[in-house]
Amino acid sequence: EAGVAQSPRYKIIEKRQSVAFWCNPISGHATLYWYQQILGQGPKLLIQFQNNGVVDDSQLPKDRFSAERLKGVDSTLKIQPAKLEDSAVYLCASSLGAAGGPETQYFGPGTRLLVL
Amino acid sequence: ILNVEQSPQSLHVQEGDSTNFTCSFPSSNFYALHWYRWETAKSPEALFVMTLNGDEKKKGRISATLNTKEGYSYLYIKGSQPEDSATYLCAFIGSGYALNFGKGTSLLVTP
Repeated sequence: EAGVAQSPRYKIIEKRQSVAFWCNPISGHATLYWYQQILGQGPKLLIQFQNNGVVDDSQLPKDRFSAERLKGVDSTLKIQPAKLEDSAVYLCASSLGAAGGPETQYFGPGTRLLVL
Repeated sequence: ILNVEQSPQSLHVQEGDSTNFTCSFPSSNFYALHWYRWETAKSPEALFVMTLNGDEKKKGRISATLNTKEGYSYLYIKGSQPEDSATYLCAFIGSGYALNFGKGTSLLVTP
C-alpha cells in the first residue's frame, strides 16, 4: 500500500514570495490533515479536511495561508506571502475514518521550508 | 490548544540499555493518546493508539502504558538499539478533533 506522498521535499524561498505544497493521501482515506512543525516544537494542526470539506482551520493564519482539497483526494497548501517565521516542516497526514476518531494518522515525509 | 508535556527533552543511552519516556496530558475530556516515532528525513511512524485507562500495548521491544485518571503515559524501550534513535512524539485528543502534540523526546542510542 502506497503511503502519503508529499512534494517538494525541500524548498528555499525569500520572504514575501509565494510557495505551494502538494499532498496525495493514502487511497480511500477520508480525512486529510496539514501540520506545521517549527524547530523545537511539536507538530501543530493547521487544517483538517473530511473528504473535500473543512472540519477545522482554527489555527490556520488565513491572511497568508490557504488550503484546498478538490475532489476529496489531493490537497495543496499555499503560503502567500511567506514570512521568516514560516520556516518549518509541513506535514501532511491522512486517516481512513471520519474526523475526530482515535484512528491512526499516517504521515508523509514532510516538506522542509526555509524562508530567507 | 491543550498542553502536552514530554520528558526528558533528549536522552542518550548505550546500546542494550532500557529506557523510558513520559507524556503528560490533561486528565479531563480524554479521548485518545497516540505515540509516534519520527526518524530524521523519514515520515513519522505510528506506534500506538491508546484509548482506555490502564491500557498496555506492545510492539516488539517497545511498550506503552496509559493512566487517564492522572494524565500520563509511559513509553518503554527494552534493550535499545542504534536503529531506535529517533524523536518520539505523543499526541492527545480531547473533546476536539485535533491531535495535540508534545515537543517530543529525542533519543540517541550509541553502539
